Amino acid sequence: DSGVTQTPKHLITATGQRVTLRCSPRSGDLSVYWYQQSLDQGLQFLIQYYNGEERAKGNILERFSAQQFPDLHSELNLSSLELGDSALYFCASTPGGWGEKLFFGSGTQLSVL
Amino acid sequence: DAKTTQPNSMESNEEEPVHLPCNHSTISGTDYIHWYRQLPSQGPEYVIHGLTSNVNNRMASLAIAEDRKSSTLILHRATLRDAAVYYCIPFLTGGTSYGKLTFGQGTILTVHP
Repeated sequence: DSGVTQTPKHLITATGQRVTLRCSPRSGDLSVYWYQQSLDQGLQFLIQYYNGEERAKGNILERFSAQQFPDLHSELNLSSLELGDSALYFCASTPGGWGEKLFFGSGTQLSVL
Repeated sequence: DAKTTQPNSMESNEEEPVHLPCNHSTISGTDYIHWYRQLPSQGPEYVIHGLTSNVNNRMASLAIAEDRKSSTLILHRATLRDAAVYYCIPFLTGGTSYGKLTFGQGTILTVHP
């Protein structure tokens, strides 16, 4: 158990809908990362937050947004969903220091029908 | 962004050492080298990381070339549970790229009994 909690574990929805994925980092970790993993694209870095502020941005679509709240949990919002958004979404946390290791959650499997 | 090159796949027998190579010739002097592994349907798991000198932990050893253009992850005695996809990732520490961990395709390690 990495200590990172992601909910829900599975999510099935329809095209055009909006969903919210939640991530609770390990106790004391200030930084949260979001990744998307699909069969054809591998693990894609989406976005990183540190203590509530956006720190790094990757290949995140404009239809997607994220935030980190004062209690340090994070949410990834996906809107106007398309079939191609079906993927495993992982959250990872780290204390936030220089080059520290990431602890990954078990992911949310999103299926868009 | 720094790019890495890893073999697509490698095979080993149980109880034998495994050397997983990675080329990362474009990393900067302050970028860490991280290694993660991923089992099917699970989140990536941290294995080891380093900056300049070789590193050891209970899971593996990391040998970093003197010019830092390559590194090798060493599993001293492979077990069936080590069968996974292994990712070598530069942890970028410069400017707007700070904190980006970009996963490549990784090396699929197969361990034979």
